[in-house]
Amino acid sequence: SAVISQKPSRDICQRGTSLTIQCQVDSQVTMMFWYRQQPGQSLTLIATANQGSEATYESGFVIDKFPISRPNLTFSTLTVSNMSPEDSSIYLCSAYPLEGFSAEAFFGQGTRLTVV
Amino acid sequence: KQEVTQIPAALSVPEGENLVLNCSFTDSAIYNLQWFRQDPGKGLTSLLLIQSSQREQTSGRLNASLDKSSGRSTLYIAASQPGDSATYLCALPDSSASKIIFGSGTRLSIRP
Repeated sequence: SAVISQKPSRDICQRGTSLTIQCQVDSQVTMMFWYRQQPGQSLTLIATANQGSEATYESGFVIDKFPISRPNLTFSTLTVSNMSPEDSSIYLCSAYPLEGFSAEAFFGQGTRLTVV
Repeated sequence: KQEVTQIPAALSVPEGENLVLNCSFTDSAIYNLQWFRQDPGKGLTSLLLIQSSQREQTSGRLNASLDKSSGRSTLYIAASQPGDSATYLCALPDSSASKIIFGSGTRLSIRP
């Protein structure tokens, strides 16, 4: 199955700054997704990123806070802007291969973000 | 709107036991269902994918079943080992095939 390289794996950031998380897939994919996982919780979808179109954000998440880029079929970035301690979470990217939902979803290894 | 529930939230069993994790969903019109494993602070590893036309899938000591009519899937782990300790999540695409819906997970602890 495909592999996603997610960077950084962890970071400690000052409040008010921004962090950009990168996900590089070793094959072309259609849909990419960005999730947040707060401590002890399940995954919450932030947005869906399809190549060639604007990201689609879930309720409660806005582009100004979480801008996303998807320049091609193998790469995406998520920026967490103007961070506060409440943004401390694990951020995960995932993707489906070109076959779409009939195939397995796969995930990056996550970015553990701590905001101080 | 599809909702996914996992019970129990946490489970602790001694090593060597066979165990079953449960996943329930409200809309039986599904594409497939996927089971994942997540180690603390890490990403998700796919364990098994069951297509809507299938009733079960097996991989090593893991067996996942699917009963669409009752809205249930189970993950059976045989001869559990301490290395199986992790959080197990089930997930499936929503009806619009635009995103994946996750259960809240079962945190499994295998006692040596």
